[in-house]
Amino acid sequence: EAQVTQNPRYLITVTGKKLTVTCSQNMNHEYMSWYRQDPGLGLRQIYYSMNVEVTDKGDVPEGYKVSRKEKRNFPLILESPSPNQTSLYFCASSSGTGGETQYFGPGTRLLVL
Amino acid sequence: GQQLNQSPQSMFIQEGEDVSMNCTSSSIFNTWLWYKQEPGEGPVLLIALYKAGELTSNGRLTAQFGITRKDSFLNISASIPSDVGIYFCAGPHMFSGGYNKLIFGAGTRLAVHP
Repeated sequence: EAQVTQNPRYLITVTGKKLTVTCSQNMNHEYMSWYRQDPGLGLRQIYYSMNVEVTDKGDVPEGYKVSRKEKRNFPLILESPSPNQTSLYFCASSSGTGGETQYFGPGTRLLVL
Repeated sequence: GQQLNQSPQSMFIQEGEDVSMNCTSSSIFNTWLWYKQEPGEGPVLLIALYKAGELTSNGRLTAQFGITRKDSFLNISASIPSDVGIYFCAGPHMFSGGYNKLIFGAGTRLAVHP
């Protein structure tokens, strides 16, 4: 089954404790992206990747890092999480260059205390 | 930056009613996408529109690509409780440097009362 998977689905952590949210897709998509979703703000792009070893900032990259060492994986790293990073995070992938239909993972709900 | 204005922000309707929502932009889009996000899940594509004036249906859902290419509409007929969720419009925007990015509206939250 074609899908985007994310882990963990739920995470509670404390300020400053590094964490990684994994994302994997099995559709051989070149484009992958991370979004955060906050009430009233819709989906805001954090980082995206056009291909292996090619990543770039989205609209709200501060406090986040990403890597793309393999085509299928695109982890999101929070080196020192802060409470304002409490949000719902989605990973997405696309067969194109970012402007085409994107397929979303199930989401990761993060609470930073 | 580029924005999509989606309205209404939320709707609370009775089962069986029809629903209409829309999305507008200050610039032209060549594609309009409509996604639905159910509680606890990621957005799932409902309908994709690629041509101005295009009217496309998916079951009880019908979406239209506005003639001006600056707007799109989504209608749901005879709503049922499982229509509950957040509906997002989205469209690709080309930035300088030649790369595309999918821009999302803020969403319309739909609640259906049985």
